[in-house]
Amino acid sequence: DIQMTQSPASLSASLGETVTIECLASEDIYDILAWYQQKPGKSPQLLIYDASSLHTGVPSRFSGSGSGTQYSLKINSLQPEDFASYYCQNGLSAPLTFGSGTKLEIK
Amino acid sequence: EVQLQQSGPELQRPGASVKLSCKASGYTFTEYYMYWVKQRPKQSLELIGRIDPEDGSTDYVEKFKNKATLTADTSSNTAYMQLSSLTSEDTATYFCARAYNSGYGWYFDYWGQGVMVTVSS
Repeated sequence: DIQMTQSPASLSASLGETVTIECLASEDIYDILAWYQQKPGKSPQLLIYDASSLHTGVPSRFSGSGSGTQYSLKINSLQPEDFASYYCQNGLSAPLTFGSGTKLEIK
Repeated sequence: EVQLQQSGPELQRPGASVKLSCKASGYTFTEYYMYWVKQRPKQSLELIGRIDPEDGSTDYVEKFKNKATLTADTSSNTAYMQLSSLTSEDTATYFCARAYNSGYGWYFDYWGQGVMVTVSS
């Protein structure tokens, strides 16, 4: 199984700041990676797929990049609704696996 | 509008079984795989398996092969997951999620609201 390692596990930031979350795959996943946002008590929401494609309706302040085994999610100009948990997901090979998550909190 | 409506919370005794439902609307049920995902309290997401509603074929993550059984009823556009021999390790929120294929990989574009299963004596 492909292991997905996220960092940091938690992150504190202020409104208007820019933050970056990293995801490391245990092997090359050829840009087949997604990012999800999950708010407390809610289901995850797809943000980014194929490493850098923005899902329908997702604000442009979210962007994804990376290749090979290393990927990142960048959030520009943090808004109040962005404080949540974020997960990466291997979309290449079964079983589809998720990262351990990053909790983004308000400073 | 695509919606996945899951059944309500469950409180079960150890050793019991439970069957969860996920009713799909707003799209052609048989055209998309349905996955089930487990999330233990304050933990990450863990894939259980998927069903192809068109033919009922299933694929399970190894650790859930003797735990979960996935079925689908095309007459009611509903996917089901039965969990057997429940233990405290099964206490979690379970999501159904529609699979989306980008042409390159598999992702989850719509999710149910989740159902909390609590296993306690």
